[in-house]
Amino acid sequence: AQSVTQLDSHVSVSEGTPVLLRCNYSSSYSPSLFWYVQHPNKGLQLLLKYTSAATLVKGINGFEAEFKKSETSFHLTKPSAHMSDAAEYFCVVSGGYSTLTFGKGTMLLVSP
Amino acid sequence: DTEVTQTPKHLVMGMTNKKSLKCEQHMGHRAMYWYKQKAKKPPELMFVYSYEKLSINESVPSRFSPECPNSSLLNLHLHALQPEDSALYLCASSAPDGRSYEQYFGPGTRLTVT
Repeated sequence: AQSVTQLDSHVSVSEGTPVLLRCNYSSSYSPSLFWYVQHPNKGLQLLLKYTSAATLVKGINGFEAEFKKSETSFHLTKPSAHMSDAAEYFCVVSGGYSTLTFGKGTMLLVSP
Repeated sequence: DTEVTQTPKHLVMGMTNKKSLKCEQHMGHRAMYWYKQKAKKPPELMFVYSYEKLSINESVPSRFSPECPNSSLLNLHLHALQPEDSALYLCASSAPDGRSYEQYFGPGTRLTVT
């Protein structure tokens, strides 16, 4: 069984400041982990994925995440927020074969 | 090309109507999914098709009827829906062969049941 906990339901940053969205996971075996972004009334877009290769994963739009097994964490970061980054972000773990377990989501708010 | 397309974008239907949602992908993926997403919640899995066969049905009411005519197409037939079925319906696809497990999502169909 696996689970995902996104530690913040909302994160507010100013444009140009760093972004940190926190995610902890639980899995009984080596997981695949993903971050997805969803803009209002849109589908989910894959930002990045970890599948047991490099622990620091780079994604699209300047985002990256680090897999830390000892801390069971997979936090998402970006050095400098842009207004277009305002969206809902989901941390997701795969249990293998087709099933994804979603966190509850973190809404990122970016102010000018 | 990592595109999954869904039609229609918006659908309003009465509780006695019959309608269908359509999903298409041309990435050669052999697993396709339907999700339901309510406002400010993560997507909830409804159905999984693997190699055109229904492999997972998450106890979805029979008023939702999925169909996978071929490896590129996925339909969701709707009949006698309730107002609480109003939601964003997302289709996704993935390669179920162990290479990777990420799913690619379509833009969704916003369904309103009146």
